Amino acid sequence: EIVLTQSPGTLSLSPGERATLSCRASQSVSSSYLAWYQQKPGQAPRLLIYGASSRATGIPDRFSGSGSGTDFTLTISRLEPEDFAVYYCQQYGSSPRLTFGGGTKVEIK
Amino acid sequence: QVQLVQSGAEVKKPGASVKVSCKVSGYTLTELSMHWVRQAPGKGLEWMGGFDPEDGETIYAQKFQGRVTMTEDTSTDTAYMELSSLRSEDTAVYYCATFQLAVAVSWGQGTLVTVSS
Repeated sequence: EIVLTQSPGTLSLSPGERATLSCRASQSVSSSYLAWYQQKPGQAPRLLIYGASSRATGIPDRFSGSGSGTDFTLTISRLEPEDFAVYYCQQYGSSPRLTFGGGTKVEIK
Repeated sequence: QVQLVQSGAEVKKPGASVKVSCKVSGYTLTELSMHWVRQAPGKGLEWMGGFDPEDGETIYAQKFQGRVTMTEDTSTDTAYMELSSLRSEDTAVYYCATFQLAVAVSWGQGTLVTVSS
């Protein structure tokens, strides 16, 4: 069973700073099937990145994804006030078919 | 643009069942791969299952096997998720979401299901 571990659990940063979020898989994940989502309180998640590094429609270019195999990273180059939220990685594979990481909360320092 | 509108909040007693609906507009249900994801209060996202176009059938997370049933009414473009034998740990917001190429591209607004005696 593939388990996704996100770190850190909480990231305390100031607007304008760079955020680096990690997603580590217990087994190799196809880059084609690694995605990142943003969730704000009281809202449904929103797709940010798919295929490990492709931005979804309408996502600003300050968001970027990278990685392969078991290590993936979401980078927010310069935090805007609206970027403070919880971020989840997600993989699609064979067993279980789909899993989410535990999430990283990006909070205002 | 797909829009997903879910049914309203539910309060159920332990042992009961709940059925949540998800009405699709903008597309027909047959064009979509519908999945269900839940989120317990203050917790992360948990995939429950959905239609897998590779297999051509609905697949369920092992944790929910035998307790969850996902169905679709193509005449009304409405998807349903029924969870039985409810326990307090099933208290959560339940989301329907459409998947394309293994990612959730559209989400419903969520339905809060509270299980309490």
